[in-house]
Parts: sequence; structure tokens; C-alpha cells
Amino acid sequence: GAVVSQHPSWVICKSGTSVKIECRSLDFQATTMFWYRQFPKQSLMLMATSNEGSKATYEQGVEKDKFLINHASLTLSTLTVTSAHPEDSSFYICSAPRGTGSVEQYFGPGTRLTVT
Amino acid sequence: AQRVTQPEKLLSVFKGAPVELKCNYSYSGSPELFWYVQYSRQRLQLLLRHISRESIKGFTADLNKGETSFHLKKPFAQEEDSAMYYCALGGFGNEKLTFGTGTRLTIIP
Repeated sequence: GAVVSQHPSWVICKSGTSVKIECRSLDFQATTMFWYRQFPKQSLMLMATSNEGSKATYEQGVEKDKFLINHASLTLSTLTVTSAHPEDSSFYICSAPRGTGSVEQYFGPGTRLTVT
Repeated sequence: AQRVTQPEKLLSVFKGAPVELKCNYSYSGSPELFWYVQYSRQRLQLLLRHISRESIKGFTADLNKGETSFHLKKPFAQEEDSAMYYCALGGFGNEKLTFGTGTRLTIIP
């Protein structure tokens, strides 16, 4: 089946620095990708929809200047957490739809971000 | 607004006993319902979707529009069923998914 990868799987950064997380669709193209945040023992919260060739669509309450999303190609979306703070520490997961317009999604393995 | 409710955060069931994980939804349009599962240290993966009406790993789920429910059932639990289960809701033509809070299922040997 289709695979979505994320890099890195785990990152530690200092408060105030920025960190970039990559999401790739390995054997299929994705004009849309989704970024989620998952707190420990909690559900996935949709942060934004990444659109290839256009601006990302952010969910209410998500700071677009803090979580920069770039969908550079049909197989790559990046999430940059800018000026990270300890409260940004979380598990970030990306997904891509099975096909254009499909609700079924393939998920990446997630990236654990720890901000010290 | 889309909303998914999974009332049980934790559920423990003895091996061989029946399992039912509850899911209720709220959606004004025509819903697409999914169950995703996350095994320990693995990524989220699709377990089943209501459209396919199939049984995966012995699990089934029926969409009940009258009760706005999509409960996940299995007649005989197995130890390998221990995992986190998420009910998710989407709409036809809308790629966004709304997830429930999840239920951690533990099968007791």
C-alpha cells in the first residue's frame, strides 16, 4: 500500500529555535496533505491542510506564523515550528489522502518534538 | 460542525469475550465513517470504513444513521487486538477527517 514518511522521527531543540519536519508521500502524489498534533494520551487535532502550489489552510486557533507549512511538490510537505517553546512539545503527524477527494488517509509515523 | 464522540477512554476485555467500542457522530451532511487503529509504536492505520461493509481482523461496524452511531464490534477478542482505536468522520467530497478522542482497548489474557 501507499506509504507516507516523516523526517525526523524525533527531534530535540532549544527554546527560541526553529525546527522543520518533512512529510513525504513515497509512491504516490498528494496535492493535499494534513498536519495533526497529538498530545499524550489524547486524540489527533487537525492543525492545517497543506495544498500543493498554494497557501495552507489553518484550523481555527492555530497560529499560521508559528507553524509554517510549505507544500513544495506533489510528494513533499514541510512543517516548520518557528521560535519553538516548551509548550510546542508534542507529537506531529502528517497524512495524505488515498486519492484526490478521498477521505481515506494514509498516515506518517509521526515526529516527536521536544523543546527544552 | 463535525463531531465524533468516543465515550470510553479505556476498555478492558477478557480474551475470547465480545468487544464493542462506541462511536457517535454529529454531521449535517452525508457522513463517511472510519475506524483507525494504532498498535503500540506503530503509525495510525485504517481498520475499516463503513462504505466497504467488510470485516477486518474479525471487526465489523455498522453505520446507524438514526442513532448517529458507528460502533466497532468483534465477537471474540484476541490479545493482538490491544491497541488504540479512533473513530473518524469525513464528508463526501471533503478530505478532512475529524477524530474522536480514542479508546484504548486492552485484552486481558
